[in-house]
Amino acid sequence: AQTVTQSQPEMSVQEAETVTLSCTYDTSESDYYLFWYKQPPSRQMILVIRQEAYKQQNATENRFSVNFQKAAKSFSLKISDSQLGDAAMYFCASKGEYGNKLVFGAGTILRVKS
Amino acid sequence: EPEVTQTPSHQVTQMGQEVILRCVPISNHLYFYWYRQILGQKVEFLVSFYNNEISEKSEIFDDQFSVERPDGSNFTLKIRSTKLEDSAMYFCASSRGLTDTQYFGPGTRLTVL
Repeated sequence: AQTVTQSQPEMSVQEAETVTLSCTYDTSESDYYLFWYKQPPSRQMILVIRQEAYKQQNATENRFSVNFQKAAKSFSLKISDSQLGDAAMYFCASKGEYGNKLVFGAGTILRVKS
Repeated sequence: EPEVTQTPSHQVTQMGQEVILRCVPISNHLYFYWYRQILGQKVEFLVSFYNNEISEKSEIFDDQFSVERPDGSNFTLKIRSTKLEDSAMYFCASSRGLTDTQYFGPGTRLTVL
């Protein structure tokens, strides 16, 4: 079984500053995938970044990067140069290599202050 | 850029009524999914569909639910007799392959009165 835990219900960051959102996970699968999705007030689920567990290199996507610590089962999201448009709920999710479903954490609300 | 679309954006129904939620996955994708999110709660997997059959379903996906791909483009979720607790946001998603990223539609907000 897979579980995903996001321990920060809410975070705040000043515009142009950097913020890190935490996520830990547990899985019995040897190969798996990890994701961060963003859900703005419109409630659409938007992919932010994806990490394959077999890759040691941390994924980056413009201002978004992850710190993937496989042994610690930790997968945090760093947002650099935060913008007002980054304000949203952020969900961490995992998926086993041969499974169909994404398993989501409870989410972290990110507020960006101007 | 291709995207998943869903209709309607908001559906209001009476308890006990049947509803059909519609989705058009990305055209070259082969795997289709439904998830739901009750307000203020986490996103939960309902069902996945591949090669015209259910490939995995959750405990939530009981006999009241069914999925269908009636033609080459649409993917539907039917709830036969809605309950108050079915009120939620329902997301359709699709992926090209089993290990590829799942892309989500904008969701259908279902309100059961």
